[in-house]
Amino acid sequence: DIVMTQSPDSLAVSLGERATINCKSSQSVLYSSNNKNYLAWYQQKPGQPPKLLIYWASTRESGVPDRFSGSGSGTDFTLTISSLQAEDVAVYYCQQYYNTPPLFGQGTKLEIK
Amino acid sequence: EVQLVESGGGLVQPGGSLRLSCAASGFTFSRYWVTWVRQAPGKGPEWVANIKQDGSETYYVASVKGRFTISRDNAKSSLYLHMNSLRAEDTAVYYCARSHSGGSCLLDYWGQGTLVTVSS
Repeated sequence: DIVMTQSPDSLAVSLGERATINCKSSQSVLYSSNNKNYLAWYQQKPGQPPKLLIYWASTRESGVPDRFSGSGSGTDFTLTISSLQAEDVAVYYCQQYYNTPPLFGQGTKLEIK
Repeated sequence: EVQLVESGGGLVQPGGSLRLSCAASGFTFSRYWVTWVRQAPGKGPEWVANIKQDGSETYYVASVKGRFTISRDNAKSSLYLHMNSLRAEDTAVYYCARSHSGGSCLLDYWGQGTLVTVSS
């Protein structure tokens, strides 16, 4: 199984400041035949299901604000929120969809400082 | 509008059985892989199983293999999860989710979930 490890476990950032969450996979999720990283980011607010934010490591899902961006390749990835808004308070998960089982990271809880 | 509505959760004793259902609408169900994901209280999501568009392929996480069966009825736009030999560690909110066109394990729409509690 490809294990996903996120850091930090929790993060407090001031409104308008940048938030950065890291995700590391136990093996590469870069598929050589198409040069795509099979890595997604989800946002989960209390009492709601996860919401897809980013896939292919850096492609925003339709309707996701452009303050959210993803980067990285191979085994190391980053989710960045460029200017934190109050509605961004949530738990964020990375997920590899390179193979089965498509494991999620343990989550990073993002709060307002 | 894409909608996924789960039902069938509840309280069941260890060793018991339960069948979850997911009613899909707002898209052509038969064209998509669909998936069950669960989330134990205070934990992250755990992928459980998925099924190909025509039902010809199914995949399971190791911890449920042999106990859970995923199935679908494209005529009814419905997904099912038959759960047998339930254990305390199966307690979770169970979500059904649609797979994105980018990959069978990439999930773009989720239901609100149904709670399964395994306890005596």
